[in-house]
Amino acid sequence: EIVLTQSPATLSLSPGERATLSCRASQGASRFLSWYQQKPGQAPRLLMFETSKRATGIPARFSGSGSGTDFTLTISSLEPEDFAVYYCQHLFTFGPGTKVDIK
Amino acid sequence: QVQLQESGPGLVKPSQTLSLICTVSGDSIRGGAYYWSWIRQHPEKGLEFIAYFYDSGNTYYSPSFKGRTTVSIDTSKNHFSLKLTSVTAADTANYYCARASDSSGFLTLIWDNWGRGTLVTVSS
Repeated sequence: EIVLTQSPATLSLSPGERATLSCRASQGASRFLSWYQQKPGQAPRLLMFETSKRATGIPARFSGSGSGTDFTLTISSLEPEDFAVYYCQHLFTFGPGTKVDIK
Repeated sequence: QVQLQESGPGLVKPSQTLSLICTVSGDSIRGGAYYWSWIRQHPEKGLEFIAYFYDSGNTYYSPSFKGRTTVSIDTSKNHFSLKLTSVTAADTANYYCARASDSSGFLTLIWDNWGRGTLVTVSS
């Protein structure tokens, strides 16, 4: 079974800064890696799928890249509403999450 | 716009059966190529896939839950359900129902619609 590792566990940044989140798979995931955002008290929300495709309504400041075992979610300029936990997912496995909090 | 809503007891005793229902509005659980799923999240922890029911009548259970989990649907009520037997404190979690699509045709599921979740506590 594939294992997903996310780093860092916590990312402390200020609004307007660039966020770079990493997800590493224990075996090849091809391009089939998705990202979700979760805010406190809310369900996860799909952000990206197939590495770089934005889900409906997701702003262009979110982008994804990578292939195989190494993937990255980038938020080009953090908005106040972007401070949340981000999970990567491949098949039926989710990563442990990266919390993006306000510095 | 599809909406999903979980319902069921918030407290279950150890060794008993956890039963939840997900009521779907804005879409039919029959007639589309969606994977109607259950996913849970332990407090302050990550997400754990449990099972899905597929339109054609197929079900898939995570190996971690196989043997004590049943997912079924009631098309007359447009809802699907989860039963998890022999629960312990380790089953205390927020349970989500969600709708998944296969983005590629290779069973690469993406969960694009979620319920708000319901907290189930296992305690005597």
